[in-house]
Order: sequence, then structure tokens, then C-alpha cells
Amino acid sequence: EDKVVQSPLSLVVHEGDTVTLNCSYEVTNFRSLLWYKQEKKAPTFLFMLTSSGIEKKSGRLSSILDKKELFSILNITATQTGDSAVYLCAANPSGTYKYIFGTGTRLKVLA
Amino acid sequence: KAGVTQTPRYLIKTRGQQVTLSCSPISGHRSVSWYQQTPGQGLQFLFEYFSETQRNKGNFPGRFSGRQFSNSRSEMNVSTLELGDSALYLCASSLAGDIGNTIYFGEGSWLTVV
Repeated sequence: EDKVVQSPLSLVVHEGDTVTLNCSYEVTNFRSLLWYKQEKKAPTFLFMLTSSGIEKKSGRLSSILDKKELFSILNITATQTGDSAVYLCAANPSGTYKYIFGTGTRLKVLA
Repeated sequence: KAGVTQTPRYLIKTRGQQVTLSCSPISGHRSVSWYQQTPGQGLQFLFEYFSETQRNKGNFPGRFSGRQFSNSRSEMNVSTLELGDSALYLCASSLAGDIGNTIYFGEGSWLTVV
């Protein structure tokens, strides 16, 4: 059965800290992986990863995929209170038009 | 450019009733997918439509159905509502409908069944 597991489930850090969020996946013929940030509304797209070892960056956020070990990480440097949210990753099994989502990592950044 | 628009945003229904939710994708996007989000199960895939055809369906009972119109707008319907159907229903659209494309979510429709 296809599944995506995120860790940790929750995390509390202080402003300025660096955090690493983990996403491991077991999907049939993996095609792509997406990261989203969700506050009290719709998930907001962060990154799409399809190739191993190529880091995607956007400001203080970066992400990388390891297709051999079947995982991805999302790094956030110099965290701010506005980074407090649930971070979701999702994997797409090839041959389908659906994404399998993890249950998310809840990040709380304290001032 | 306007994002994915879902209506209604909030609704309360009684057990046994039915509900229809609407989704307008981002302009130019032709693929629409639906997800159910609950605290216990997270986001779960319901179905995906492209050019008015359902291409994938998730593991939900037949009470959950959907359709897509020629203008790419989509609706989903839940009949004979149960308390467990209380959830955030998210619609997402993507540009070309290719496998593995990025999907962009709407704000969701919060359904409460009492």
C-alpha cells in the first residue's frame, strides 16, 4: 500500500533556529513529491521535486529528494514566527493522477 | 490571476441530507482533483477529473461522487451524509493534467454534519 510518513509530528523551536522536516515515502513507481505549507486555510505550494540530489531553494526554505533512500527533507533556516504552520509532503505514484499525503509536521516558532 | 475558488466556504448539514460543493479551477487549468481533510486521516484523495472524465477515484464509498463541466469547473456531491463526513473538502487544480504535475489548492469547504 502506498504511504507517506512525516517526522517529527510536531516541533517547537525559537526564532532564528534552523529546522529539518522529514518525509519518507513508499509509493509505486514514484513520479514526484510536493511540499506544502498549511496555516488555517488552503495548503500553499512550496516545492516540487522529481530528481535526486537537486536542491530547490526559495528564500530561507530549501528541499532535496533522495530517490534511492526514498525520502525528502525540507529545511527552514532562521525561522520566524510566520513559519508556524503544518508542513505537508505528498508523493505521486506514477500512472495515477493522485497524491498520497503524509499527516504533516506541525511547526511552532516561538518569538 | 485568480486562484482556485470553492463554494460554499462553510456549511452545516443534518445526517441523511446530501450536499453539493463547487470548485472553479485556476484559469487555464483543466485538471481538478478533490481531497478530504480530517484531523485523524489527514488529506485523502477523492477523485480527479480532466476534460470531463474521471481518471482516478480514491477509496471512498459510492455516496461520494463528482463531475466536471466543459469549462473545467467541478462539483462533488455527498449523499446520505454521515457524521464522519464532517471535514474540510479541498479542491485542487493543475495546468495540463499530466501525471506528477503540481496541484494548487482552493480555500476549501468546511462541512459539518450534525
